Amino acid sequence: EPEVTQTPSHQVTQMGQEVILRCVPISNHLYFYWYRQILGQKVEFLVSFYNNEISEKSEIFDDQFSVERPDGSNFTLKIRSTKLEDSAMYFCASNDRDNYGYTFGSGTRLTVV
Amino acid sequence: AQSVTQLDSHVSVSEGTPVLLRCNYSSSYSPSLFWYVQHPNKGLQLLLKYTSAATLVKGINGFEAEFKKSETSFHLTKPSAHMSDAAEYFCVVSAPPALTGNQFYFGTGTSLTVIP
Repeated sequence: EPEVTQTPSHQVTQMGQEVILRCVPISNHLYFYWYRQILGQKVEFLVSFYNNEISEKSEIFDDQFSVERPDGSNFTLKIRSTKLEDSAMYFCASNDRDNYGYTFGSGTRLTVV
Repeated sequence: AQSVTQLDSHVSVSEGTPVLLRCNYSSSYSPSLFWYVQHPNKGLQLLLKYTSAATLVKGINGFEAEFKKSETSFHLTKPSAHMSDAAEYFCVVSAPPALTGNQFYFGTGTSLTVIP
């Protein structure tokens, strides 16, 4: 079964530092997403990406966040200057719109200290 | 607008007894509905999905769910709980992609405990 791969599985960073979370979506998928889950809370939508641009983003996805697909296979989420409240599990997902239903990666746990 | 309510934040069952995890949805359109499971420190795994085909959907690990439009429900069931079923379960609704950009809406989750 094809998988969405996320690296690293766990990242610890100091407040104010930049982090890049990496995802390799399923190869024939066209739609890409980032979600996050703060410990003990529900999974929240951050952003969706299609045709090399953001198609939707939530209120959480402010100017500190950016996404890109630099080389046609990776899909990255960058947080420019991390805050303590950015500590969460970040999930990448991809979808082939003709095959309805996301495939999620196993997540990256980001800890900001 | 789409939303999901998971009626129980925590469910506890004995091993070998049935499991029922309840989910009600609200959607302005014909929804697609999903159940995901998350084991501790693991990612989200798709258990099953409903996308307007058969109303009784069978998933992995013996789970199934029934879409009931009249009750706006999509409850998850399993006839006999196993210790390995202990996890967090999320009900998710998504409207047709052309209307919303295929954005998922998660419930708050139900934590399932299985007692030996």
